[in-house]
Amino acid sequence: AAGVIQSPRHLIKEKRETATLKCYPIPRHDTVYWYQQGPGQDPQFLISFYEKMQSDKGSIPDRFSAQQFSDYHSELNMSSLELGDSALYFCASSLATTTSTDTQYFGPGTRLTVL
Amino acid sequence: QKEVEQDPGPLSVPEGAIVSLNCTYSNSAFQYFMWYRQYSRKGPELLMYTCSSGNKEDGRFTAQVDKSSKYISLFIRDSQPSDSATYLCAMICFGNEKLTFGTGTRLTIIP
Repeated sequence: AAGVIQSPRHLIKEKRETATLKCYPIPRHDTVYWYQQGPGQDPQFLISFYEKMQSDKGSIPDRFSAQQFSDYHSELNMSSLELGDSALYFCASSLATTTSTDTQYFGPGTRLTVL
Repeated sequence: QKEVEQDPGPLSVPEGAIVSLNCTYSNSAFQYFMWYRQYSRKGPELLMYTCSSGNKEDGRFTAQVDKSSKYISLFIRDSQPSDSATYLCAMICFGNEKLTFGTGTRLTIIP
């Protein structure tokens, strides 16, 4: 079965540079979520999109922005990178229903290292 | 105080033993409960999902929810070395989308 695809899998940037992470949800899934997982920490919710509109926002820095496109893939843009942004960035997708909250399926993650 | 508390471990048990992983939570609005397994440097993988109090069984895994005590558990029977991973509980409110995770319990099954 198709899973969530994230690219790139690894990314190395220097401080103050910009990074773009991409997420391709499971086919027919209409909701995308972004999580940040620092070393030894649980994933922290950043932002989510449903039908190309932002649906929820967590602890996402103002330096970060994201969007969901017409094909439902999503991109997380990170500017003015800081050392503390080094983390695993996970994307998850789900199919929203009207009667329940559906489960989220995670991608393999993008490991961002800021030097 | 975090909304979801989980013993970080590490937890080591011999192969074949029954493993019990637990989480407590403080937000009574949580209605859906998940358990994820995360291997090192991999994304969390959904193991179990339940929305009602009681037990839900899937193969060697049993998820237990006690909403009155705000307590959930994951039991692993006949544990295998391949079960060695970090297990994260996660919860979500009805109508919300943001998963709230526990800190994860690192489990090692000793052959």
